[in-house]
Amino acid sequence: AQSVSQHNHHVILSEAASLELGCNYSYGGTVNLFWYVQYPGQHLQLLLKYFSGDPLVKGIKGFEAEFIKSKFSFNLRKPSVQWSDTAEYFCAVNAVNAGNMLTFGGGTRLMVKP
Amino acid sequence: KAGVTQTPRYLIKTRGQQVTLSCSPISGHRSVSWYQQTPGQGLQFLFEYFSETQRNKGNFPGRFSGRQFSNSRSEMNVSTLELGDSALYLCASKPGAGPDYGYTFGSGTRLTVV
Repeated sequence: AQSVSQHNHHVILSEAASLELGCNYSYGGTVNLFWYVQYPGQHLQLLLKYFSGDPLVKGIKGFEAEFIKSKFSFNLRKPSVQWSDTAEYFCAVNAVNAGNMLTFGGGTRLMVKP
Repeated sequence: KAGVTQTPRYLIKTRGQQVTLSCSPISGHRSVSWYQQTPGQGLQFLFEYFSETQRNKGNFPGRFSGRQFSNSRSEMNVSTLELGDSALYLCASKPGAGPDYGYTFGSGTRLTVV
């Protein structure tokens, strides 16, 4: 069975700082990869997804993520964070041969100080 | 376009009771999945349905069951409630059965078992 690790549970940044959130998964087969965000009091929203092709994917709100297959990683990045990026971020993996089940990481709580 | 609608938003039940949660997917979406979110275990997959058929089931006891109707609406049922069933239950939908879509999540039903 696949598993997903998000190494940073809590991250505190000042506005304009750069962000990188780590995500590693364990699964030897083909995967689809996702980052979801949950703003305070809101539902999970899809930030970006990777299915195939260019391993650098761009999502909404200036976020991007890079799939490095050899490292089983899918790290999320943003060059300059804003206070409104304060939220919890979840990495998720779908093993292509296992239906549409998503396996989520434990989440990273990001606080951006104004 | 209306999002994924889950009812009720909040529910308080007593140990031993049973509960039914409802999910209306986005119009035209035929794939519905359910997830349980708790502070300790994070987001865990419960079920996946497509065209009224359960395609996948997570590692939960048989007290957890679900179904999907011909209009793609879905319900999940938990019988003989335990305190540990207290959680946010999330429903997610996407257009088809293939993996190349990201799920859209609802706001969830927060179940408290006392």
